Amino acid sequence: GAVVSQHPSWVICKSGTSVKIECRSLDFQATTMFWYRQFPKQSLMLMATSNEGSKATYEQGVEKDKFLINHASLTLSTLTVTSAHPEDSSFYICSARDLLAGTSYNEQFFGPGTRLTVL
Amino acid sequence: SQQGEEDPQALSIQEGENATMNCSYKTSINNLQWYRQNSGRGLVHLILIRSNEREKHSGRLRVTLDTSKKSSSLLITASRAADTASYFCATDAGGYSTLTFGKGTMLLVSP
Repeated sequence: GAVVSQHPSWVICKSGTSVKIECRSLDFQATTMFWYRQFPKQSLMLMATSNEGSKATYEQGVEKDKFLINHASLTLSTLTVTSAHPEDSSFYICSARDLLAGTSYNEQFFGPGTRLTVL
Repeated sequence: SQQGEEDPQALSIQEGENATMNCSYKTSINNLQWYRQNSGRGLVHLILIRSNEREKHSGRLRVTLDTSKKSSSLLITASRAADTASYFCATDAGGYSTLTFGKGTMLLVSP
């Protein structure tokens, strides 16, 4: 099956610093990637939809200037948490949709997630 | 916005028993999918059922969909300790719409 990787798998940073998380589709091209946030024992909440070559679409309540998304190629999207604070500590998961998949089968392939801890 | 609701929130069973999890949603859907997530890990796609399908099987998994009740169930037969994980349903409205996840069911299978 299609593989999506994330890097790093975990990161600890000081409050006020910025952290970049990478999401890569390893064996397929993805014009669209998605970024989710998951708090402990809760479900995934969609943060934004990342489109290759264009601006990301953010969900309501997600700060665009705080969570910068760049989708520079068909296999890479990055999420930068700027000026991180302890409340940003969470599990961040990306997913990618196969470019060649039809619209009738809306399967997303998920990365393993990145655990962010802000001290 | 999140529209799926799973029940139960947590389920504890013994190995060999069957586990049934339910998912309800609020609006019309095109597909409904079930995912598994082991603690601290990413999601693994289990099965997809289209809105015009009523039942689907995959190995020990059986999924049903009742669009009139806007609900789906996931049955895991002959459960194993390795099935211990959280299970989420996710719906989409068709086309290239986003997935909306339910709150999930935490399944614990004891040896």
